[in-house]
Amino acid sequence: AQSVTQLGSHVSVSEGALVLLRCNYSSSVPPYLFWYVQYPNQGLQLLLKYTTGATLVKGINGFEAEFKKSETSFHLTKPSAHMSDAAEYFCAVSPASKIIFGSGTRLSIRP
Amino acid sequence: DTEVTQTPKHLVMGMTNKKSLKCEQHMGHRAMYWYKQKAKKPPELMFVYSYEKLSINESVPSRFSPECPNSSLLNLHLHALQPEDSALYLCASSQEGGTYTDTQYFGPGTRLTVL
Repeated sequence: AQSVTQLGSHVSVSEGALVLLRCNYSSSVPPYLFWYVQYPNQGLQLLLKYTTGATLVKGINGFEAEFKKSETSFHLTKPSAHMSDAAEYFCAVSPASKIIFGSGTRLSIRP
Repeated sequence: DTEVTQTPKHLVMGMTNKKSLKCEQHMGHRAMYWYKQKAKKPPELMFVYSYEKLSINESVPSRFSPECPNSSLLNLHLHALQPEDSALYLCASSQEGGTYTDTQYFGPGTRLTVL
């Protein structure tokens, strides 16, 4: 069965600091992996996705994620946090039959 | 235009009411989705329409009835809901149906409260 685990329901970083949101997946077939962001009172917006090819994926707003098959991980990073990055972040896996979301990580940014 | 619109933004209804949620996209997408999201939880898939046909129903109670009148429009009809159905209902669309590798574009949601 496919699943997604996001480590840490809440992450707080200072403005300008590195952002690291962790995601591990379980999939019996080569997965497609996604990161979505949800700002308060809004729908989800795709940050980036991995399908095949280059394992380092660059997304919008300066975010990137690296697919590591050996570690079954797809962690999201951003070198320098901005106040506008405060939101809920969802990692998701799609083994082609459906999309499965992780439980989400709330990112807070300290001034 | 990469926008998915949903109306209304907020809806309060009693358990005996009948109401409908509406979703619209003009991106030419052929797959549309309904999700339910409870507070501090990830979205849960309810229904998928692919080329205007219902392709997935995730064992949703019959008090939720989806409808896809055309390729741009998706409705969710609500009847005899329970207070536990209160949630944010999200609509999404993607280019092709039948695959989840496509980017899904989400609307802002309808915040539903059942009294």
